[in-house]
Amino acid sequence: AQKITQTQPGMFVQEKEAVTLDCTYDTSDPSYGLFWYKQPSSGEMIFLIYQGSYDQQNATEGRYSLNFQKARKSANLVISASQLGDSAMYFCAMREPTTGNQFYFGTGTSLTVIP
Amino acid sequence: DTEVTQTPKHLVMGMTNKKSLKCEQHMGHRAMYWYKQKAKKPPELMFVYSYEKLSINESVPSRFSPECPNSSLLNLHLHALQPEDSALYLCASSQTTRDRGRRDEKLFFGSGTQLSVL
Repeated sequence: AQKITQTQPGMFVQEKEAVTLDCTYDTSDPSYGLFWYKQPSSGEMIFLIYQGSYDQQNATEGRYSLNFQKARKSANLVISASQLGDSAMYFCAMREPTTGNQFYFGTGTSLTVIP
Repeated sequence: DTEVTQTPKHLVMGMTNKKSLKCEQHMGHRAMYWYKQKAKKPPELMFVYSYEKLSINESVPSRFSPECPNSSLLNLHLHALQPEDSALYLCASSQTTRDRGRRDEKLFFGSGTQLSVL
């Protein structure tokens, strides 16, 4: 079974609008971490935001927020006030301490911001 | 310094060549990773070094040979590659505890080496 599922291969958003990128995960470990990375065409993977399984509050980092619904095993990324520079691939990822240094990535969502 | 530095940025090699990719970090991280990434796909884990010892090898062909000379450096030696090995090769690092990872350990990535095998 897939550990991380991203069901939106491509998304479009108008500049200055908000967009939600979906991510669901599968784990039986009560302790895990969820991450979102951005990969522009230049290739570097840029860390955006982290959510821990025991965190009570949804994580926020500037224009990025994470809509964490533990019972549904979803960790959707919300980008507010989209900018042209937000056009990139976005990967959801998970780490489970019981599997040591394994990092599981989703298949990614390609986001295009339209002027 | 929160950077992972990879060299070279681009590499073109023939199938009979021997080349090496280099990765360096000075964040005191004790886990270092090699990933292979094809266009529009997620990174695929190749190798993990933890405390300079190889801890994960994801059944990578022997034409890829990793090396961790010290806690700051990671190399990937390439020999007799195939055209299908053309990809972006990403290095990453993370803090780690010796026994097991922490759930909040994020990966710090380099900007990658774009490899073309002719």
